[in-house]
Amino acid sequence: ELKVEQNPLFLSMQEGKNYTIYCNYSTTSDRLYWYRQDPGKSLESLFVLLSNGAVKQEGRLMASLDTKARLSTLHITAAVHDLSATYFCAVSGGATNKLIFGTGTLLAVQP
Amino acid sequence: EPEVTQTPSHQVTQMGQEVILRCVPISNHLYFYWYRQILGQKVEFLVSFYNNEISEKSEIFDDQFSVERPDGSNFTLKIRSTKLEDSAMYFCASSVTGNTEAFFGQGTRLTVV
Repeated sequence: ELKVEQNPLFLSMQEGKNYTIYCNYSTTSDRLYWYRQDPGKSLESLFVLLSNGAVKQEGRLMASLDTKARLSTLHITAAVHDLSATYFCAVSGGATNKLIFGTGTLLAVQP
Repeated sequence: EPEVTQTPSHQVTQMGQEVILRCVPISNHLYFYWYRQILGQKVEFLVSFYNNEISEKSEIFDDQFSVERPDGSNFTLKIRSTKLEDSAMYFCASSVTGNTEAFFGQGTRLTVV
């Protein structure tokens, strides 16, 4: 059974600092996604990572994938308050394209 | 830009009542999904639907749940007799194929009282 673990669960950081969120998954998978969720809102797709060594960047966020280690990271550079949200990784599993989500990381960027 | 739309945005229902959550997937998409998120928790897969039948369901999706595509555009989730623990945000998603990214609707917040 595919399992996805994320850490940390909660991250409080100051503006301007860098940090990394980790996502481990238990079995091989075709694709890994990163989503952002604001309170009470839907899931906003940030990145889709398809292959080993894939790296994608958008603004202050950069995601990478190591399929051999079954690990993805979401790196935050010089955090700003607007990045405060919950971030989920999700891995596609099975023939039906269902997504298995990690536990989420609540990011709070303090001024 | 095409999007998945869900109605209602918020539904309050009494325990034991039936509810139907509605979704309009993106028009050329063939795969449809329901997920739920209990407040403060992770998003959980409920069911996937393709070619007018369920292709996979989770343990959560028991006999109280059913899905239907009653016409060419809507995709519904029915909960037959709601329980307090069914209170959650329910997300619909759709994808073009079984190997492409799924796009999520804005969710329906279900509150069972």
